[in-house]
Amino acid sequence: GAVVSQHPSRVICKSGTSVKIECRSLDFQATTMFWYRQFPKQSLMLMATSNEGSKATYEQGVEKDKFLINHASLTLSTLTVTSAHPEDSSFYICSARGSGLLDETQYFGPGTRLLVL
Amino acid sequence: AQSVTQLDSHVSVSEGTPVLLRCNYSSSYSPSLFWYVQHPNKGLQLLLKYTSAATLVKGINGFEAEFKKSETSFHLTKPSAHMSDAAEYFCVVSEYGNNRLAFGKGNQVVVIP
Repeated sequence: GAVVSQHPSRVICKSGTSVKIECRSLDFQATTMFWYRQFPKQSLMLMATSNEGSKATYEQGVEKDKFLINHASLTLSTLTVTSAHPEDSSFYICSARGSGLLDETQYFGPGTRLLVL
Repeated sequence: AQSVTQLDSHVSVSEGTPVLLRCNYSSSYSPSLFWYVQHPNKGLQLLLKYTSAATLVKGINGFEAEFKKSETSFHLTKPSAHMSDAAEYFCVVSEYGNNRLAFGKGNQVVVIP
């Protein structure tokens, strides 16, 4: 149980294009999902918290107009990197929080490697 | 706000010998504590978690961790390292009602044959 998938696993795009990454909770409902970015040999950096049916909460320094987040259902959140540039190249990981009220566990997706040329 | 300290960014162990990864945390409230493992170019896999039940927690792949409130520690151990244990390990703390997780900087474990 508690499986989270991400699609695509890796994507290469040209500078200026937009890329959409999907995050799905496969066997549980997740009212809250999270988007992280990970630089090489570093820990995860929280970008935003995505709540189903409401606007995402972005961390300080994260441009909400560049990283568009949509959480339209209890099992799907999407991150769209708009007008991508080479500095946006990174490993993006989503997570979904367990459905129990007292469960703080976050279950992570396998990550998406984005390379912007 | 909660925080996590993982010393020893790189840990080398010989195959078949014990693994010990240290984690100390700081939290204002009763925390939940987690250990995750990350293999190269993969997401984080939950190894085990402590959520105010038994202080000795057993996880997958033979790992276990003991929550010691007096020492604010949650060290991860495994009696005998396997080659497949080579990965990055993150200690993570969460406070109830706080969406935000605090990550340690990670331990890169190398297993020597």
